Amino acid sequence: AQSVTQLGSHVSVSEGALVLLRCNYSSSVPPYLFWYVQYPNQGLQLLLKYTTGATLVKGINGFEAEFKKSETSFHLTKPSAHMSDAAEYFCAVRRSQGGSEKLVFGKGTKLTVNP
Amino acid sequence: GAGVSQSPSNKVTEKGKDVELRCDPISGHTALYWYRQRLGQGLEFLIYFQGNSAPDKSGLPSDRFSAERTGESVSTLTIQRTQQEDSAVYLCASSPTRVWETQYFGPGTRLLVL
Repeated sequence: AQSVTQLGSHVSVSEGALVLLRCNYSSSVPPYLFWYVQYPNQGLQLLLKYTTGATLVKGINGFEAEFKKSETSFHLTKPSAHMSDAAEYFCAVRRSQGGSEKLVFGKGTKLTVNP
Repeated sequence: GAGVSQSPSNKVTEKGKDVELRCDPISGHTALYWYRQRLGQGLEFLIYFQGNSAPDKSGLPSDRFSAERTGESVSTLTIQRTQQEDSAVYLCASSPTRVWETQYFGPGTRLLVL
């Protein structure tokens, strides 16, 4: 069954530094992969997704992620962190099972940006 | 346009009482999802609707949980005989048709069972 693992429940970076949030997946079929962000006291919103095609996916707010099949990874990066990036980030994979489909989410990584 | 809305935003109830949580999806979205988010945990899938049918109820944690949807509109999640472990944020999302499309999330209902 498809699943995701997010390494690091908390990540702290300085403003202007590189942001790297790690996500590894397991899937027996070509995966569809997603990153969602949850700002404090708000619902989740989609940052970016990979379904097919180009393995480097660009999302909103300067984030991007690269699908690496050999490493079963879909890490999220941003070259320069901004204070407004402080939020919780969730990686997700589409699970297809018995004619049903759903998204399976990781436990989340809380990003803190220090001035 | 209007996004996904949920009501109430907060609910405090006593153990053993029933609660109803409401979700209004984006107009025209046929797919609707319910998730539970416990403190410090990821999102736990509860149930998925395609139109008013629920092809996947596998995530409902017990028979105290049920959900229904009217047409391609409002959905209600009902928890009967609430327990303290039901305390969580309940999130609703909708998407145009299929799971891999962008899911648009509501702000959630924060449920506290005393």
